This record gives sequence, structure tokens and C-alpha cells, in this order.
Amino acid sequence: DIQMTQSPSSLSASVGDRVTITCRASQTIRSYLNWYQQKPGKAPKLLIYSASSLQSGVPSRFSGSGSGTDFTLTITSLQPEDFATYFCQESFSTPGTFGGGTYVEIK
Amino acid sequence: QVQLQESGPGLVKPSQTLSLTCSVSGGSVSNGGYYWSWIRQHPGKGLEWIGYIYYSGSTFYNPSLKSRITISVDTSENQFSLNLNAVTAADTAVYYCARANLVSTALEYWGQGTLVTVSS
Repeated sequence: DIQMTQSPSSLSASVGDRVTITCRASQTIRSYLNWYQQKPGKAPKLLIYSASSLQSGVPSRFSGSGSGTDFTLTITSLQPEDFATYFCQESFSTPGTFGGGTYVEIK
Repeated sequence: QVQLQESGPGLVKPSQTLSLTCSVSGGSVSNGGYYWSWIRQHPGKGLEWIGYIYYSGSTFYNPSLKSRITISVDTSENQFSLNLNAVTAADTAVYYCARANLVSTALEYWGQGTLVTVSS
């Protein structure tokens, strides 16, 4: 099974900060990596698919990069509505495994 | 806009069967471009993909749950269902249905989720 390791598990940041979250796969997953945002009591929302493609309707301050085993989600200027938990998910294998999540809280 | 809505009991007794249905609107489960999926999230924990079904009836189940799962699709009602049998307290979770893109397998649309508690 493919293991997905996210770091950090939590971070504190201020509005306007640049935030970077990383996800590492236990084996190569090429570009089969997706990112989701989840707010308390809500379903996850797809932000980025195939490592770097922005889902329709998602603000351009979100971006994804990487391939192989190492991936990054970047939020260029953190907004109040961005405080949430972020999950990566590999879709190279079936079923795709999720990372443990990164909780982004207000500093 | 595609919308998905889970329905089913919020409380199931141990050893019984958990049954949930996902009703789809704004799109058809007969559309061959998607997998219709079930995912669960244990309280305060991460996400686990339970399995999915294609409109033709082909299924894939998470090996860790495979012996206890059945996912089915009803194209006439535009819905799909999950049965998880022999439940224990470890199956207490929020259960989500979702639509996955056939190519990227990214989960594009999600239901709001339903909490199922296993308790006597």
C-alpha cells in the first residue's frame, strides 16, 4: 500500500502569509496527487487535481506542484476563509490513500 | 451543479448492517465519466476511501473492508448505495458519498456527509 505523509500536521499563520504544505508518497505516484480543503462539519472540497491543475472555481492563490514522490500545496496570500484542514490524496493506486491532514490555524 | 445527498439510519447496532443511499441530482449515475464513491471519516481523524462503483456495476472495494462491503447502483432512481455488514464500534464515522472523475480519480463533488454511530 502507498503511504502518504503530510507535513506539518498543523501550522499557525496570519492573514496575508504565504503557506506551504508538503505531501510525500512512499513510492512514486507520478502526478496522481490531489489536494482537498475541509472546514469543520463540512465535506472536503477539491482544490487541486493531478498535482497542479486548479479545480474550477478555486481561487488562484492556491497552487500545487511536484511529481514522483514529493508534492507541495501553496497558498500565496492566506485569507480568513482559508483556515481549515488540508488533505492530500494519491490517485495512483486504487483506492487512493489520503494523507493525515494539515490543520491551518490563525496565529 | 451536481449535488449528492446521503440518507440512512444514524444509529446501527453492533453486528448489524449499515445501509446508506446516495441520491444524485444535476447529473446522471449512468454517465460513464465517473466513479460513484463512498468515503468515511472517523471522528477527528483522516479520510478512508471505502469503495466505488461504475455505472455498469463494476466495483472496487478497499481491501481492508472488502469482505463486509457491497456497493450497488440504481440507474432508474439515479442513486447508489452502501451496505457494510457486521459493524462494530470501529465503524462509527461520518460517511460521505462522492463523485470521482474517471481520468484523475479526484473526488470532485461530495455529499454533506452523515454520521453513523454503532452502538447498542
